[in-house]
Amino acid sequence: DVKVTQSSRYLVKRTGEKVFLECVQDMDHENMFWYRQDPGLGLRLIYFSYDVKMKEKGDIPEGYSVSREKKERFSLILESASTNQTSMYLCASSPGTGGSNQPQHFGDGTRLSIL
Amino acid sequence: DQQVKQNSPSLSVQEGRISILNCDYTNSMFDYFLWYKKYPAEGPTFLISISSIKDKNEDGRFTVFLNKSAKHLSLHIVPSQPGDSAVYFCAASWFGRGGGNKLTFGTGTQLKVEL
Repeated sequence: DVKVTQSSRYLVKRTGEKVFLECVQDMDHENMFWYRQDPGLGLRLIYFSYDVKMKEKGDIPEGYSVSREKKERFSLILESASTNQTSMYLCASSPGTGGSNQPQHFGDGTRLSIL
Repeated sequence: DQQVKQNSPSLSVQEGRISILNCDYTNSMFDYFLWYKKYPAEGPTFLISISSIKDKNEDGRFTVFLNKSAKHLSLHIVPSQPGDSAVYFCAASWFGRGGGNKLTFGTGTQLKVEL
């Protein structure tokens, strides 16, 4: 079974802090993704990566950056946290081969509160 | 612009009856569609998928139907069980320039299966 592990289940930070959310997958997947989930808005893609050191913007990248130094690890960085970044953050991974028919596998999420 | 829409935020059915969850999409580039199930405090788990070259895919109690001309898909759960109570997300993707393995999610439908 694919395992996607997010380092924290719950996190409370203050406005203006730099926040790091970590994600590790154990299936040697090429693709990794960061989403946020908000009530009534579903899951929205923040950033994704097809390979080490590669990154691409998703639909809502403003205020975020990412880092992928190793294949199994994908970090989401909130450069200067703001209250509107309070959300559930979900990391996912998927294989890079086989065309489009590759389900993404998700971690259990990090509930981030910015005070 | 919501490219994947789930117009029913909630659905309530009785145990043993059929649950039908609906999803509409606007982007004709989508060629792969998925359903995810999400329990509170857990990440989404992949349920079932369908390629655009098919109109039906079945897996046990779960069947997904795709109507490409109407840009509509539905998930049928028969018979519904209390453990099926969760939020269901519809997602879509396409492979190729601009698509890759990115998923676009709907806003979710909360299914409640009552005894």
